[in-house]
Amino acid sequence: GAVVSQHPSRVICKSGTSVKIECRSLDFQATTMFWYRQFPKQSLMLMATSNEGSKATYEQGVEKDKFLINHASLTLSTLTVTSAHPEDSSFYICSARIGTNYGYTFGSGTRLTVV
Amino acid sequence: QKEVEQNSGPLSVPEGAIASLNCTYSDRGSQSFFWYRQYSGKSPELIMSIYSNGDKEDGRFTAQLNKASQYVSLLIRDSQPSDSATYLCAVNKGGFQKLVFGTGTRLLVSP
Repeated sequence: GAVVSQHPSRVICKSGTSVKIECRSLDFQATTMFWYRQFPKQSLMLMATSNEGSKATYEQGVEKDKFLINHASLTLSTLTVTSAHPEDSSFYICSARIGTNYGYTFGSGTRLTVV
Repeated sequence: QKEVEQNSGPLSVPEGAIASLNCTYSDRGSQSFFWYRQYSGKSPELIMSIYSNGDKEDGRFTAQLNKASQYVSLLIRDSQPSDSATYLCAVNKGGFQKLVFGTGTRLLVSP
C-alpha cells in the first residue's frame, strides 16, 4: 500500500533554533500533502495544506512565517519550525492521499521537544 | 457546533463484545467518511472508509453511514484487548480536500 515516510521521528532542539521535518511519498506521487499537529490527549489539528509547486494554504491561526512549508517535488514536502519555542513542542504528522477511492495515509509522525 | 463530534469516552467493553463508536458531522456537503485508529504516541492508521449510505463490512469492522441524519458509526465485533486505542472519525468534502477530525473516542477492551 501507499507509504508516507516521515523523518525524523523524534527531535529535541533548543529554544530559538529551527527544525526541519521531511515527508516523502515512497510509491506514489503526492500533489497535495497535509500537515497536522497534535497536542497530548487532543485530536489532530490541520495546520496547512501543501501543494506541489505552489504556496501552502494555512489554516486560520497558524503563522505561515513560523511554520514554513515547501513542496518542491511530487514526492517531498517539508515543514520547518522556525525560532522554535517550548510551546511548539508537539507531535507533527503529515498525510497524503493517492486517489479518491482511497483513504488518507499518514506518516509516522515527529515528536518535537523544544527545551 | 463542532464540525465532527465524538464522545471522548472512555468506552469500556469486555473482550469478545461488540464495541459501537459514533460520530456526527455538521456539514451536509461532506462526501467521504473515515475511521482511524490511533495508539498512544503513534500516528493514525486507516480502519475503514465509507462513501455512500448503508453498511460496509471489513472483517470484524462495520462502518455505517446515514447522510440524512449526518451520522457515521463503527462497530467492532469480537473486540480484543489489542483494539484498545483512540478511534478518530474524519470527514471531507470529497476529492483531495482536507480531512476534518473529531476529537476521538478512547476504547478500552478488558480481558
